[in-house]
Amino acid sequence: NAGVTQTPKFRVLKTGQSMTLLCAQDMNHEYMYWYRQDPGMGLRLIHYSVGEGTTAKGEVPDGYNVSRLKKQNFLLGLESAAPSQTSVYFCASSYRGAPYEQYFGPGTRLTVT
Amino acid sequence: AQSVTQPDIHITVSEGASLELRCNYSYGATPYLFWYVQSPGQGLQLLLKYFSGDTLVQGIKGFEAEFKRSQSSFNLRKPSVHWSDAAEYFCAVGARGTGNQFYFGTGTSLTVIP
Repeated sequence: NAGVTQTPKFRVLKTGQSMTLLCAQDMNHEYMYWYRQDPGMGLRLIHYSVGEGTTAKGEVPDGYNVSRLKKQNFLLGLESAAPSQTSVYFCASSYRGAPYEQYFGPGTRLTVT
Repeated sequence: AQSVTQPDIHITVSEGASLELRCNYSYGATPYLFWYVQSPGQGLQLLLKYFSGDTLVQGIKGFEAEFKRSQSSFNLRKPSVHWSDAAEYFCAVGARGTGNQFYFGTGTSLTVIP
């Protein structure tokens, strides 16, 4: 099993450009998550999904959109990138309910100039 | 509201010395607690978790943590640190509500001196 994979690993955008980050998991997990990690701030939840076709906002959702069209995939979109969105983005997944641990992908480093 | 505090931003220990990383949480009910480790340029790997029962939990790589309800703490320990333990460590509390949401601390960076 590959676990949780993220595409791409690195990306540089100019302000105002758009992009989509792809997360895929092969563990048949119901729940999926997108976090951003910034120095000194830990991981902050952007959006999450409790199942195919459903999404919900996390702690810092502004400027991002998500979609979960297939159970195994969770997409994070930036419609108009801003320098404040320069960060490392992590995707995670877990089984339904609590208290299951979350499994993390390797991350995507995004720089917005 | 749920929150996690890791008071130590950075810790330096000598190889072979013992280690304790602090974690305090704020949560209205019995928490689910986790410790994750992140090596440079990598994702997060679960070290151990506490849900209920025995308050001393064992994890991978020789780590253990103790849940102390009276102190709202879940400190991570290791009796003898190895150079390969140098990494960032994150404590997290899991909420019981919808979505199994986690709340992470800001992390503790560990440096190991040979």
